[in-house]
Amino acid sequence: DAKTTQPPSMDCAEGRAANLPCNHSTISGNEYVYWYRQIHSQGPQYIIHGLKNNETNEMASLIITEDRKSSTLILPHATLRDTAVYYCILNAGNMLTFGGGTRLMVKP
Amino acid sequence: EAGVTQFPSHSVIEKGQTVTLRCDPISGHDNLYWYRRVMGKEIKFLLHFVKESKQDESGMPNNRFLAERTGGTYSTLKVQPAELEDSGVYFCASSRFRDPPGNEQFFGPGTRLTVL
Repeated sequence: DAKTTQPPSMDCAEGRAANLPCNHSTISGNEYVYWYRQIHSQGPQYIIHGLKNNETNEMASLIITEDRKSSTLILPHATLRDTAVYYCILNAGNMLTFGGGTRLMVKP
Repeated sequence: EAGVTQFPSHSVIEKGQTVTLRCDPISGHDNLYWYRRVMGKEIKFLLHFVKESKQDESGMPNNRFLAERTGGTYSTLKVQPAELEDSGVYFCASSRFRDPPGNEQFFGPGTRLTVL
């Protein structure tokens, strides 16, 4: 079972920042926080990951709380193409355990 | 760099028949994973290869499923005989490393299997 909790759905206006929360209160010391997304019926797409420091890449930013019990994925300027299901996953190697994710709807 | 490819993209077979799915990982990726999503359910892990060896096959549902990765390159997943509940989308993923931080998995587009 997934060790993360995410809201089932969120809306965001196009051009605004999308902030997707994730709770992982039972995270282990060696587990990284990974974010993936699945656009429509395509294969999941890797977005970003982090251990304890905040991370940023060309797609998004990841903010991890100091106690590591929660994190937030930030899409700084959401576009219609960012409409997808976003998955927050804890990983220490090997398999990914997908939960239900957050269905983000970006609206014009 | 080519991504993960899967063949076929769609397969429709009758119950009791055999189907073989193929996955070509990203070149140089030793780690290859199979996942599937059946209707209305979450994406579930099936198994993990490191090169040609099965590292973890704890997610394989039963002995009707057989995965191989001869030579440590492409992989096949055979379902024999197929049952109605095997219908779903089968995803393959690959990664360069097994452990983080460099183990991000790259997924293929999936094979949609329909068993009638």
